[in-house]
Amino acid sequence: GAGVSQSPSNKVTEKGKDVELRCDPISGHTALYWYRQSLGQGLEFLIYFQGNSAPDKSGLPSDRFSAERTGGSVSTLTIQRTQQEDSAVYLCASSFDSGQGNNEQFFGPGTRLTVL
Amino acid sequence: AQSVTQLDSQVPVFEEAPVELRCNYSSSVSVYLFWYVQYPNQGLQLLLKYLSGSTLVKGINGFEAEFNKSQTSFHLRKPSVHISDTAEYFCAVRTPGYSSASKIIFGSGTRLSIRP
Repeated sequence: GAGVSQSPSNKVTEKGKDVELRCDPISGHTALYWYRQSLGQGLEFLIYFQGNSAPDKSGLPSDRFSAERTGGSVSTLTIQRTQQEDSAVYLCASSFDSGQGNNEQFFGPGTRLTVL
Repeated sequence: AQSVTQLDSQVPVFEEAPVELRCNYSSSVSVYLFWYVQYPNQGLQLLLKYLSGSTLVKGINGFEAEFNKSQTSFHLRKPSVHISDTAEYFCAVRTPGYSSASKIIFGSGTRLSIRP
């Protein structure tokens, strides 16, 4: 595909259930990011993967949140025991990170998560 | 640590009028600056970026921004807006180089609404 894709586009779940959100980055991009966008809020950084390096997990809000990136490509963000405050749009972005920090991030359309 | 402030959460403007969306940043080191746009129900798209050189940066859709180091600002401007410019605009900052600290920091966003 030409861009970053995310699935599902919408997810409604009950409080206490686990959810998995998927991100397919642009082929060849070495960096992958997850952000959370709550209603009326800006983008909250969650986690950053760069190549084979250990991910930067400093933005994960609690230990219920985890993410992995398999084979340096597809990433899955998992939220365990979801709470109503987890309701938000979860955005994934990828970039070809040359190590200079000047590369554009390409964003997916997001997954809208609603926790009832 | 870096931070980004977008003072205006909402900016209503009449069609064909000029607009300025304000962005101020804080950083103890040099930074790269970005403006992203998010159209309704879509992911973010890069409008323009400042890396170095000329302080006036031109982007897509007729937008431009000026880097002012003394005022630590990177305001976005367009001389004549169109209905299609209705969107949310995010200012972002990142420090050069690759490190776990070099993630992009987004402002809280400014919602631009164009009135006919």
